[in-house]
Amino acid sequence: AQSVTQLGSHVSVSEGALVLLRCNYSSSVPPYLFWYVQYPNQGLQLLLKYTSAATLVKGINGFEAEFKKSETSFHLTKPSAHMSGAAEYFCAVYHGSSNTGKLIFGQGTTLQVKP
Amino acid sequence: DAMVIQNPRYQVTQFGKPVTLSCSQTLNHNVMYWYQQKSSQAPKLLFHYYDKDFNNEADTPDNFQSRRPNTSFCFLDIRSPGLGDAAMYLCATNLAGGPEETQYFGPGTRLLVL
Repeated sequence: AQSVTQLGSHVSVSEGALVLLRCNYSSSVPPYLFWYVQYPNQGLQLLLKYTSAATLVKGINGFEAEFKKSETSFHLTKPSAHMSGAAEYFCAVYHGSSNTGKLIFGQGTTLQVKP
Repeated sequence: DAMVIQNPRYQVTQFGKPVTLSCSQTLNHNVMYWYQQKSSQAPKLLFHYYDKDFNNEADTPDNFQSRRPNTSFCFLDIRSPGLGDAAMYLCATNLAGGPEETQYFGPGTRLLVL
């Protein structure tokens, strides 16, 4: 069965610093991987997704992630943190088949951005 | 703008009093999902509809039911809410449930059980 593990439940960075949020996956088949962001009291919004095309995926708001099969990782990065980026970030992997498939979410990482 | 709408945003109910949360979508998507999210936790899938086909997660309590009367609307019924059911409930949709597809989430309904 597919699963994801997010390393670090809380990450704190200074404004302007590099953001690195870690996600490792476990999958017996080529995975489909997603990063979602959740602002307080809001739903989840897709940042980017890996669907077996390019291994370096660019998303919204300057985020990108690189799929590394050898490391079973899909870490999320952003060159320069902004205060507005403070939120909860979830990595997810698709599990199952079309009619009954679902997303399996990691436990989430809270990003704090300090001025 | 096409979107996923959840009403109400906040719902207060009493212990044991049935409550219904609603979700509507203007995306014309085939699949609708209901998630439960407790504080500082990941969303947990309760069930989903692929068109009219209902798919229940194995560990979803019987206390939780769902209805999808048409493509646009889906309801979450909690028959006898307990204190442990206080959570954010998220509705999401996607076009056909395929692995590469994006799920679009509503803003959620926060349920408080007194």
